[in-house]
Amino acid sequence: AQTVTQSQPEMSVQEAETVTLSCTYDTSENNYYLFWYKQPPSRQMILVIRQEAYKQQNATENRFSVNFQKAAKSFSLKISDSQLGDTAMYFCAFVTNSGNTPLVFGKGTRLSVIA
Amino acid sequence: EPEVTQTPSHQVTQMGQEVILRCVPISNHLYFYWYRQILGQKVEFLVSFYNNEISEKSEIFDDQFSVERPDGSNFTLKIRSTKLEDSAMYFCASSSDGLYEQYFGPGTRLTVT
Repeated sequence: AQTVTQSQPEMSVQEAETVTLSCTYDTSENNYYLFWYKQPPSRQMILVIRQEAYKQQNATENRFSVNFQKAAKSFSLKISDSQLGDTAMYFCAFVTNSGNTPLVFGKGTRLSVIA
Repeated sequence: EPEVTQTPSHQVTQMGQEVILRCVPISNHLYFYWYRQILGQKVEFLVSFYNNEISEKSEIFDDQFSVERPDGSNFTLKIRSTKLEDSAMYFCASSSDGLYEQYFGPGTRLTVT
């Protein structure tokens, strides 16, 4: 079975500080894509960052970066210089490179950025 | 920037009634998906659709659910006889190649009373 585990149901961080959200996953596939989605109170799903499993280099997107450890099946998200607008649920997800397969989501981490 | 749209944003219905949730995927996308999220829980896959037929469906997607692409732009999810446990946020997503990225709509909040 393909699963995603987010072990931190809730986290908080002071504004301007750095926070890391954890994610581990399980799949027998070798080729897949990993994602972090942000869900603010409006409940829209917003893509934050993506990582191709075949790439060793960690993806970065402005203040967001990942630490991808393929052997450990770990995919953590680091948010630098946290802003109040980063307050949201964050979901880790992956999709296998098998064509038209659904995203598998974790249960999410609720992040609160405190002024 | 093209986006996925969904209507209505909020639907309230009585148990046993039929509802149709509508989605307009990004125009050149070929793969379509429905997901749902019960309040406070994770996002769960319902069904994927390609070439005018269902590609894959989850165990949640039972005979009460159906999907359709009635024209060249809309993609609908029908729930024939709603139950209280169908109350959730329903997300439509589309993808150009079924692999790299799925673009999500803003969701429809369904409340069954």
